[in-house]
Amino acid sequence: DSGVTQTPKHLITATGQRVTLRCSPRSGDLSVYWYQQSLDQGLQFLIHYYNGEERAKGNILERFSAQQFPDLHSELNLSSLELGDSALYFCASSVAGWKTQYFGPGTRLLVL
Amino acid sequence: KNEVEQSPQNLTAQEGEFITINCSYSVGISALHWLQQHPGGGIVSLFMLSSGKKKHGRLIATINIQEKHSSLHITASHPRDSAVYICAVRWGNQFYFGTGTSLTVIP
Repeated sequence: DSGVTQTPKHLITATGQRVTLRCSPRSGDLSVYWYQQSLDQGLQFLIHYYNGEERAKGNILERFSAQQFPDLHSELNLSSLELGDSALYFCASSVAGWKTQYFGPGTRLLVL
Repeated sequence: KNEVEQSPQNLTAQEGEFITINCSYSVGISALHWLQQHPGGGIVSLFMLSSGKKKHGRLIATINIQEKHSSLHITASHPRDSAVYICAVRWGNQFYFGTGTSLTVIP
């Protein structure tokens, strides 16, 4: 158990819908990272937050947004969902920026 | 263009064999990570290194900055080592992943 929790574990929704994925980092970790893992593109870095502030953006679509709250949990919002958004979404946390990351169990999203 | 290349893509070994997985990258990096993804999907960070060599149990990771190359070695492999091993590099504020090496260790 990494100490990072993600909810929900599974999510099935329809095209055009909006969903919110939640991540709680390990106690004491200030950095949260979001990643997408799809069958055709592998793992991709989406976004990094540190202590509530956005620090880096990767291949995150404009339909996606994220935020980190004062209690350090983070949410990834996916809107206008498309079939191609079906993937595993991982969050990870670290004590500071770009240190050893601890991964959550992931949220498996299926868009029908 | 893939900034991170791994080889081999698939690897089958007999229990006890010495295993090497290679990772080459094309950018000047800040750090390189080796990750392990279990069949159930969970990801564990094995190593983060920016120079030299690190060892943890039966796992050894090395990096050659000049040659832009890293290797992950597993000594005395065991069936529980069966997993996908992923190399990832940090370049500035970006993080790039290799496509992974799927390892199967047969008893």
